[in-house]
Amino acid sequence: GAVVSQHPSWVICKSGTSVKIECRSLDFQATTMFWYRQFPKQSLMLMATSNEGSKATYEQGVEKDKFLINHASLTLSTLTVTSAHPEDSSFYICSSHQGNIQYFGAGTRLSVL
Amino acid sequence: EDKVVQSPLSLVVHEGDTVTLNCSYEVTNFRSLLWYKQEKKAPTFLFMLTSSGIEKKSGRLSSILDKKELSSILNITATQTGDSAIYLCAALLTSGGSNYKLTFGKGTLLTVNP
Repeated sequence: GAVVSQHPSWVICKSGTSVKIECRSLDFQATTMFWYRQFPKQSLMLMATSNEGSKATYEQGVEKDKFLINHASLTLSTLTVTSAHPEDSSFYICSSHQGNIQYFGAGTRLSVL
Repeated sequence: EDKVVQSPLSLVVHEGDTVTLNCSYEVTNFRSLLWYKQEKKAPTFLFMLTSSGIEKKSGRLSSILDKKELSSILNITATQTGDSAIYLCAALLTSGGSNYKLTFGKGTLLTVNP
């Protein structure tokens, strides 16, 4: 399957700081990438769809100014959690697709102190 | 509102047992149903089911879709401790033009004891 690389895998930050998470497609070009959030013992919740060269599409209830998405190239999308607070602590996962199958990055565990 | 429901939410079995995991969906613009296995990190792809009644098989795992009942099952035979994971079911939906998205169920936590 396609390889999606996500970095960092774990980040701890102070409340009020911003954190950037990178998602790369390693062996294919991804015009679309997806960002999910997962709370403990919960399922994956789609946050936004990242589109190369255009604005991301956010799901209802997701603050676009809080979760900034940039998809400047066909192999890289970034999610920036701005002014992070403890309630933003979660597992963030990106994915991209080949055909109709989505392949996931390894995820980023964010802990905001 | 699109909804994917999995059952049971958790299951504990002994090695060698056979398990059946269930997934039902109530969604608009359904395209396919996907199963993923999630261990400690990201979900890994297992199956994609688009046609009703056609079983897909990979080793000890198999899955089938019933579009009339809006459901799917995932079977694991002769379970091993390495099968312990969360199994996620997701409905692939079209969302405007050529765009689509996945809606996930809450998952089934399978624990296989030696």
